[in-house]
Amino acid sequence: DGGITQSPKYLFRKEGQNVTLSCEQNLNHDAMYWYRQDPGQGLRLIYYSQIVNDFQKGDIAEGYSVSREKKESFPLTVTSAQKNPTAFYLCASSMGAQRQAAYGYTFGSGTRLTVV
Amino acid sequence: ILNVEQSPQSLHVQEGDSTNFTCSFPSSNFYALHWYRWETAKSPEALFVMTLNGDEKKKGRISATLNTKEGYSYLYIKGSQPEDSATYLCAFRSNAGNMLTFGGGTRLMVKP
Repeated sequence: DGGITQSPKYLFRKEGQNVTLSCEQNLNHDAMYWYRQDPGQGLRLIYYSQIVNDFQKGDIAEGYSVSREKKESFPLTVTSAQKNPTAFYLCASSMGAQRQAAYGYTFGSGTRLTVV
Repeated sequence: ILNVEQSPQSLHVQEGDSTNFTCSFPSSNFYALHWYRWETAKSPEALFVMTLNGDEKKKGRISATLNTKEGYSYLYIKGSQPEDSATYLCAFRSNAGNMLTFGGGTRLMVKP
């Protein structure tokens, strides 16, 4: 079955350490996205990529970095520069612009990151 | 940053009740409005993608309407069941790109 896999489900890191969250899809989707959710808030866009080797900052990109070397993979690194990294992180993918209008996004199951 | 608002934030209803909630979004540069259902411990799932003013879509007991000129969409659930308990998210897409801006969600709890 096609889908998006995020790993790990739970992640604990010490303050000051970089950490990388994995997102892999086998849906042959062109576009991939990273969102962050904090308690009581909606999903906020961190980074997105519409094509391999290209990505754009979202609304809250500071303290994060991404790469898109393969169509299937869009890892997110939470760096030590991110002031409040503890949050729930959700990865999504979609087809190109026209078909997204019919099918929307496909989401992973998320990674809960806790920095202590 | 685009402003997408959902109300109410949470809602408790009895099994069998019908209910509705609202999503408001910018009325300019509209491309599409998405609705997702997000059950606890699962991934959000797409319910509807609406693109035309006046669109009405239906999936079983759930339906949605769209008014792009005034910038709002309603989601209706007829005869709520406990399995409808979830957070319902709306998301706005402008004609500037593929990205969605999400509202804060409406958390629905249906009591048996």
